[in-house]
Amino acid sequence: EADIYQTPRYLVIGTGKKITLECSQTMGHDKMYWYQQDPGMELHLIHYSYGVNSTEKGDLSSESTVSRIRTEHFPLTLESARPSHTSQYLCASSESKGAPLSKKLFFGSGTQLSVL
Amino acid sequence: QKEVEQNSGPLSVPEGAIASLNCTYSDRVSQSFFWYRQYSGKSPELIMSIYSNGDKEDGRFTAQLNKASQYVSLLIRDSQPSDSATYLCAVSADRGSTLGRLYFGRGTQLTVWP
Repeated sequence: EADIYQTPRYLVIGTGKKITLECSQTMGHDKMYWYQQDPGMELHLIHYSYGVNSTEKGDLSSESTVSRIRTEHFPLTLESARPSHTSQYLCASSESKGAPLSKKLFFGSGTQLSVL
Repeated sequence: QKEVEQNSGPLSVPEGAIASLNCTYSDRVSQSFFWYRQYSGKSPELIMSIYSNGDKEDGRFTAQLNKASQYVSLLIRDSQPSDSATYLCAVSADRGSTLGRLYFGRGTQLTVWP
């Protein structure tokens, strides 16, 4: 079954640790995204990729980095986690062929990160 | 000015009533509009998309778009307790460096009581 997967679902870590949030999709989508969502707030785009070896920063200033070595895999890394990074991180993907220009997003189940 | 504005609610309606959710957006060039439903603790799921002025119906859901007024709405007929969730409005960015991206509103929290 085509889907988008995120691991871990929950993560509690101490300040200063390096972490990687995993995201994989089996739908063959070219476009992938990382959003950050705090309770009652908008989803903010932090990184996106339109294909292999293509990554861009989004609207929200972030100390994280991403990579896109394979179409299906789009991990997000925090080199040194801080309490301000505590949030829900959502990975999403969309196809890129055909019209209209902006496509429907399919979301993973999210990673709730807590940095102590 | 935020790109997408929604009333945060909460909106509370009785079972069987019509729930009306509203969204305004700032960029006249936007072409694609989406409604996502997000249950508490879950990720958003797409329930409606609309690209042309007018109404689009899918079961109990109707999306309405008025590009001249830069206004999108979602009507839920015969509301059920299972419709209780936060509804996110998303609007496409269709020009410049943000081409192809979506901007989300903060969402409207809907509660349907039996």
